Parts: sequence; structure tokens; C-alpha cells
Amino acid sequence: GENVGLHLPTLSVQEGDNSIINCAYSNSASDYFIWYKQESGKGPQFIIDIRSNMDKRQGQRVTVLLNKTVKHLSLQIAATQPGDSAVYFCAENPFTGNQFYFGTGTSLTVIP
Amino acid sequence: DTEVTQTPKHLVMGMTNKKSLKCEQHMGHRAMYWYKQKAKKPPELMFVYSYEKLSINESVPSRFSPECPNSSLLNLHLHALQPEDSALYLCASSQGWGSYNEQFFGPGTRLTVL
Repeated sequence: GENVGLHLPTLSVQEGDNSIINCAYSNSASDYFIWYKQESGKGPQFIIDIRSNMDKRQGQRVTVLLNKTVKHLSLQIAATQPGDSAVYFCAENPFTGNQFYFGTGTSLTVIP
Repeated sequence: DTEVTQTPKHLVMGMTNKKSLKCEQHMGHRAMYWYKQKAKKPPELMFVYSYEKLSINESVPSRFSPECPNSSLLNLHLHALQPEDSALYLCASSQGWGSYNEQFFGPGTRLTVL
């Protein structure tokens, strides 16, 4: 598979603080990226996506930033809540089909 | 209906058993996927069906046999599995197979092979 890695395997934040989860990807041909949230015992849940023709996309309390120059992706969560505690995966699609490669994951723990 | 369902939730089987995992979606999606996820690891793609035809087999051993009887159903038939095949098996679907198609995941089947 592709080398899609995360800089930090675990992250702990205080409730109400902002969280930043990073991801490095290796295939410069990747043109579509998705962030997924996976809670314990559940399947991955779509959070936000971004295409390579953009460098920023915002959702509700989440922002994804894409830096194609250094092949880096980040997920920012504003005002982190206990319900945000989960493992977060970035996934990249380097092909014309819908085939995704997932990063290693970051476990986010929110401290009340 | 905007979800992917998987049955059973949990499955325990011996190495000589034959069992099947089932996945269903009623979103009209035409691409469906099987992933395998070991504990504390990311999902790994196993198979892709596009328009009910097998598009991708990621060199999966033949003891895993996928089947797509119709556009809403995806099965994974299991036979002569090994203990190392114990994992969470996730099904996903997307509207199409082309680029920029979000994949929706089911809750998974937790498989234990004794």
C-alpha cells in the first residue's frame, strides 16, 4: 500500500481546546483525501474531504488543510468535546478509481 | 436509508468451519468494498465490486471468497481460516467507482478464528 503516515499516534487535549491531527502522504499523484473518525466498536465515519485543487476546506468545527508542496494534511477540530475522543485516520486516493489507502491513525483523547 | 448494515456483529468460528459475512446498503450505491482491520491498525482494502463485478482483489488468499448477488448485497464467504485472520471486517459502499466518491462504512463484523 501507499505510505500514508501520521506524525503522532496519540493526542490528549483538554475539553474546549483546539486539536490538530497531522498526516503525511507519499504519493504526489494523490488528488483526493478524506479524514475518518472511528469510535471504539464502530466503523469509520466520514468527517471531511478535500481535493488536491484546494488547500483548505471547512466544515462544522473541523478544518482540513492540504499542503501539496510538502505532502502534508492536517485536521483541526475547534473546541474539542469529549465526544470527539476516537481514532482519526487520513486516507488518500492516488488513482482514478475509488481506492483509498489509510494512514496509521491518531488516537485522540479529550480530557473533561 | 443512509446506512450500511453488516451481519453478524460478532462471529466465532473454527478453522474447519464455513461461514459468511453479509453486507447490505439501500442507498443505490454501485460500488461496494470489503476491508480487514486488525486491532489498532488502519483498514486494509481486500476487494472492490463495481456494478456487481469484481474490480479489485488485493491479493487476498482464496479462503476469502467475495460475492455480490445484486447491487445492494455483498457477501464474504469464509472457509478454512487461520487464527491470524481474526479481525474486524468492514464493508463500505460508494455511489460510484470513480474519483471523489465518499465511502460509507458499516459497523463491521468482529471475527474470531479459533
